Amino acid sequence: QQQVKQSPQSLIVQKGGISIINCAYENTAFDYFPWYQQFPGKGPALLIAIRPDVSEKKEGRFTISFNKSAKQFSLHIMDSQPGDSATYFCAASPSGGSYIPTFGRGTSLIVHP
Amino acid sequence: EPEVTQTPSHQVTQMGQEVILRCVPISNHLYFYWYRQILGQKVEFLVSFYNNEISEKSEIFDDQFSVERPDGSNFTLKIRSTKLEDSAMYFCASSSPRTGTENTEAFFGQGTRLTVV
Repeated sequence: QQQVKQSPQSLIVQKGGISIINCAYENTAFDYFPWYQQFPGKGPALLIAIRPDVSEKKEGRFTISFNKSAKQFSLHIMDSQPGDSATYFCAASPSGGSYIPTFGRGTSLIVHP
Repeated sequence: EPEVTQTPSHQVTQMGQEVILRCVPISNHLYFYWYRQILGQKVEFLVSFYNNEISEKSEIFDDQFSVERPDGSNFTLKIRSTKLEDSAMYFCASSSPRTGTENTEAFFGQGTRLTVV
């Protein structure tokens, strides 16, 4: 499986601030880019996802920006809240066959009240 | 809401012992996966399973690992002779079949923490 590079490894943000997490991929066959949120002791849960035919997708305070030519995508969390404190994983999966997301290394987000 | 369930939540085993991690995927899903997450590190793909056979596996999934769907509901991961470095959180996931170009979400269980001593 091809790599998905994620940064930063950790992020500390004040309540109300914007959290930005970046990911880059190599495999041009990837066509689905989900973000997962993981709380301690829990499995990853899908937060938001995007396909490469759009450059941005917004759901509430969460926005994915996608740059196909640069093979990069990012998660923006607006008005960050302490309850957003979690580990965030970007992922990517190819077209065809079964859905097998390749995960980034994760970003530990802490939002201070 | 349907969910993937995993048992046990925590398993402690001696090095060299065999362990079986169990998962009950969501009932109408047909694709099943095992991932592992070493403490503080990324979630790593191990294996995917479809139509009663392995569809893809990573280099981590060597001969010490095997998967099985022994009945219509359970999906198991067996590690034949555990090593210290097998200590990790193991996540099972399942998804429904893709239709056309639509991707479907993989739902993850809460994980089994395996500790090899």
